[in-house]
Amino acid sequence: DIQMTQSPSSLSASVGDRVTITCRASQSIANYLNWYQRKPGKAPNLLILAASSLQSGVPSRFSGSGSGTDFTLTINNLQPEDFATYYCQQSYGVPWTFGQGTKVEIK
Amino acid sequence: QVRLVHSGAEVKEPGASVKVSCKASGYTFTNYYMHWVRQAPGQGLEWMGMINPNGGGTSYAQKFQGRLTMTRDTSTSTVYMELSSLISEDTAVYYCARDRHYAAPFYLDYWGQGTLVTISS
Repeated sequence: DIQMTQSPSSLSASVGDRVTITCRASQSIANYLNWYQRKPGKAPNLLILAASSLQSGVPSRFSGSGSGTDFTLTINNLQPEDFATYYCQQSYGVPWTFGQGTKVEIK
Repeated sequence: QVRLVHSGAEVKEPGASVKVSCKASGYTFTNYYMHWVRQAPGQGLEWMGMINPNGGGTSYAQKFQGRLTMTRDTSTSTVYMELSSLISEDTAVYYCARDRHYAAPFYLDYWGQGTLVTISS
């Protein structure tokens, strides 16, 4: 199975900050990497597909980059509604696997 | 609009089975694979498997082989996830999510609201 490792596991930030979350795959996954946001009591929400493509309706302050094994999710100008847990997920091989999540908390 | 609507919460005893449904609407059911993902309390997201509604072919995570069954009913645009031999660690929220699997990239763009399954004696 392809292992996905996110860092950090949690971070504290303030409104207006720039936040960066990294995700590393245990083998090359090309650009088969997606990012999801999850808020308590709600289903995950797709933010970024194929490593860097913004899902329709997602604010442009979210961006993704990377290919191969190393990927990054960046949130510019952090907003109150962005405090949530973020997951990377690879769709290169079965089983699909998720990172362990990064919780973004209010400082 | 695309909607994935789950069946209601379940409480099961250890050793029992549970069958959760996910009814799709707002799109052509057979054009998208359906995946099941779960999240146990305090844990991350865990991919369980997927089903191709066009034909019914499935692929399951090795962890669940032998006790997971995914089926579909094209007449009602509903997919089902049945998990047997339940243990306490199966307590989780179970989500269905669709994937346009016929061409890369692959991703889960719509999710159901989830079904809470609680295993308790």
